[in-house]
Amino acid sequence: DVVMTQSPLSLPVTLGQPASISCRSSQSLVHRDGNTYLNWFQQRPGQSPRRLIYKVSNRDSGVPDRFSGSGSGTDFTLRISRVEAEDVGIYYCLQGTHWPRTFGQGTKVEIK
Amino acid sequence: EVQLVESGGGLVQPGGSLRLSCTASGFTFSSYYFHWVRQDPGKGLVCLSRINNDGSSTLYADSVKGRFTISRDNAKNTLYLQMNSLRVEDSGMYYCARDPGGSWDHWGLGTLVTVSS
Repeated sequence: DVVMTQSPLSLPVTLGQPASISCRSSQSLVHRDGNTYLNWFQQRPGQSPRRLIYKVSNRDSGVPDRFSGSGSGTDFTLRISRVEAEDVGIYYCLQGTHWPRTFGQGTKVEIK
Repeated sequence: EVQLVESGGGLVQPGGSLRLSCTASGFTFSSYYFHWVRQDPGKGLVCLSRINNDGSSTLYADSVKGRFTISRDNAKNTLYLQMNSLRVEDSGMYYCARDPGGSWDHWGLGTLVTVSS
């Protein structure tokens, strides 16, 4: 199975400051169709996961533009340009290239 | 509005069975692949199974292969997960998720499964 490694696992952030989460995969996530199926999800307390970013850098409808995704191959990053109180939660990366699909361990974002 | 609603969870003894359902609305159900995902208590997310849009192709994680069966009824807009020979480690919140291709764009609210004697 492809192992997805996130860091850090805990991320205390000051309101208005930037935040960055890394996700590394044990194999390349480039699919034979040429796409890279790396996704980012946000899970707020008591809620289901919500997709923020798909195919590395495409933001979902309704997702604030302070969220951005980047990376290639095996190394990916989710950035929040200015953290707001509503961003508290756990963030997961998910690879959709290989079976079984696998998630990172999750990064807990909290306000300092 | 896309909606996915899971049901069928509950308390079951080890070795028992449950059938989960995921009822969809707000989109053309038969156009999409679907997954079942488990969130372990206090832990992460685990992909369990995937089914293609007409039900002719299924995939399973090794941990559930031979015990769980994914299926769908496109006429009823419903996805299923038949879970047999349940183990304590199968406990968790079970979600269905819609897959438009390499990603999961909508998730249900989940149904809780507890396997315990």
